[in-house]
Amino acid sequence: ELQLVESGGGLVQPGGSLRLSCAGSGFTFSDHFMDWVRLAPGKGLEWVGRSRNKVNSYTTEYAASVRGRFTISRDDSKNSLHLQMDSLKTEDTAVYYCAGSYSDSSGYYYVGDYWGQGTLVTVSS
Amino acid sequence: DIQMTQSPSSLSASVGDRVTITCRTSQGIRNALDWFQQKPGKAPKRLIYAASSLQSGVPSRFSGSGSGTEFTLTITSLQPEDFATYYCLQHNSYPLTFGGGTKVEIK
Repeated sequence: ELQLVESGGGLVQPGGSLRLSCAGSGFTFSDHFMDWVRLAPGKGLEWVGRSRNKVNSYTTEYAASVRGRFTISRDDSKNSLHLQMDSLKTEDTAVYYCAGSYSDSSGYYYVGDYWGQGTLVTVSS
Repeated sequence: DIQMTQSPSSLSASVGDRVTITCRTSQGIRNALDWFQQKPGKAPKRLIYAASSLQSGVPSRFSGSGSGTEFTLTITSLQPEDFATYYCLQHNSYPLTFGGGTKVEIK
């Protein structure tokens, strides 16, 4: 069964750090692009960032709101994706989802072929 | 960055109604737009990809259209399980951006 499971969420003070993880199973993790998407209370979905696969040199992309503060990494040997969040702000409070996508027949990677259940991050003093 | 304008932000409809949601982008994105459905406490689910292609397993009452800067999601004959929030997502260029969402509520 294909599964993504996020962990690492919790309460952190403004200016603090937190590291989220996403464990994949039931699919070839290393072939997939992986994204982080968040949903803040009372707000809409926001794309946070992307990790491309080995074939695409593990390059990353970020939303402007997190660039320079958040870092995405992955360990294909452990089928895991990470989101290191530093200099956290109250506006980073959200449920964070990881999502995986595989290339279609033309080699294109969409967002969110499959999703985890999300992990809640609360930034508050 | 590409700005997304999704409308309406919310709507009330009855079972059996036809519902239309619009997404406009600040610059042309060809057909690089998807539609997602999200229910409370659940992960998003992709309904439509590449503006008009129906995701496998999604009921045919959902359809998408548009190209360039204006896109539409249509639900013909709204069903009880369709009450949810809907989002468009452009993936033409980074950073990827979602529309603000449309909450479909029961009238």
